[in-house]
Parts: sequence; C-alpha cells; structure tokens
Amino acid sequence: SYELTQPPSVSVSPGQTASITCSGDKLGDKYACWFQQKPGQSPVLVIYQDSKRPSGIPERFSGSNSGNTATLTISGTQTMDEADYYCQAWDSRSVVFGGGTKLTVL
Amino acid sequence: EVQLVESGGGLVQPGGSLRLSCAASGFTFSTYDMHWVRQVTGKGLEWVSAIDTAGDPYYPGSVKGRFTISRENAKNSLYLQMNSLRAGDTAVYYCTREFGGYGFDHWGQGTLVTVSS
Repeated sequence: SYELTQPPSVSVSPGQTASITCSGDKLGDKYACWFQQKPGQSPVLVIYQDSKRPSGIPERFSGSNSGNTATLTISGTQTMDEADYYCQAWDSRSVVFGGGTKLTVL
Repeated sequence: EVQLVESGGGLVQPGGSLRLSCAASGFTFSTYDMHWVRQVTGKGLEWVSAIDTAGDPYYPGSVKGRFTISRENAKNSLYLQMNSLRAGDTAVYYCTREFGGYGFDHWGQGTLVTVSS
C-alpha cells in the first residue's frame, strides 16, 4: 500500500520560515494537500492541489510538490501556527495521510 | 454556510455494531463525494471510507467487510454502519466533504466511538 512519510516534529522561531516535508513514491505525479489541526479541533485544509490556498488561509502558507517530496512552507511563522500538520494524497481511489508533523514555534 | 454534524458515537462492546450519521447543510449534498476519516486520540488521521455521487463505496483494507458507507441525498445525510467492532476502532470519526478530487474542504466536529468491554 502507498505510504506518505513526514518528520514527527519541526521547530521554528517566530518570524522564521518553517518547512514540513512529505515523502512518497512518485508523489510528484499525484496531487498533495495539507491540513492543519490544533488541539481539540477538526483538521483545516491549508493547501490543496500541491500549492493552492483555500479562501481564508493566509498567504504565508505555500506548497510545492516534485519528485518524491511535497513541502509545506510557512513564511514568517506565527505562534498561532503551532499545530499538527498532515499531508494527504490519493492512491487510485484510496486516500492516504502522512503520519503528521508537530510544528513547535518557540 | 457549510455544516457537517456527526452523531451516533458512543460506547460499544467488542463485536458490537454502531451506526454513525452526518447531517449536511449549506451546500448541494448530492453533488459531492463524501468521506469518513478517523483519529485515535493523540494519533494521526486515518481514512475510513468514501462514497461518490453515484453511491459507489470505497474502503481501505482495515475496515472492508465490516464497515458500510451510505448516503441519503433526500435527507442530506451520510451514514457509516460499523459491525464487528474492535478495540482498535476506538477513535473520533469525522465526516468530511471532498471537493474536486483535490482535498477535504469541510470537516465535522467529530463523534467519539469507544469499543470496550
């Protein structure tokens, strides 16, 4: 079965750039999306179709996808961005999530 | 405003059954593929099932043969019938809307299912 691999944790200082990777076999041939989840809340879509932002998502969130790796980049990271982030892609008609990355802003 | 409201969670014994419901509003329900996604407390997201606009279901191997997804467009409702429940099925179950094959743009608040004796 298809797998997506994320680092368990990433740390960043406020105002700096955070990058979270998601790796999968030929992931660049698929569309990837990213979800943000804060404690006690439902996931929120922050990037879809590799690099598009839904309405209401700040411009500091961006995404890319090439080769075997999709990347979520948060520029000028704010303390409110501290959360768990999950990548997701489709493998045929199955949905696959990455294991999640805890972003710490300190 | 798009709303997805799950219900039907609770405590059930191993081997038992439970039926989850998701009431949708604020959009034309019949024109969207819908999914169930679950999350064990403190763990990651796991896809549980999908149903497309034609009513065709899709499942991962972990629940195939035990779970059945269905929809009732006239009632703007999504369902998940869960049979032969195991301790490993204990999780919060989310109803979510897929848009254009690109992502899940709306999620419910989730309903907790606990499988325990």
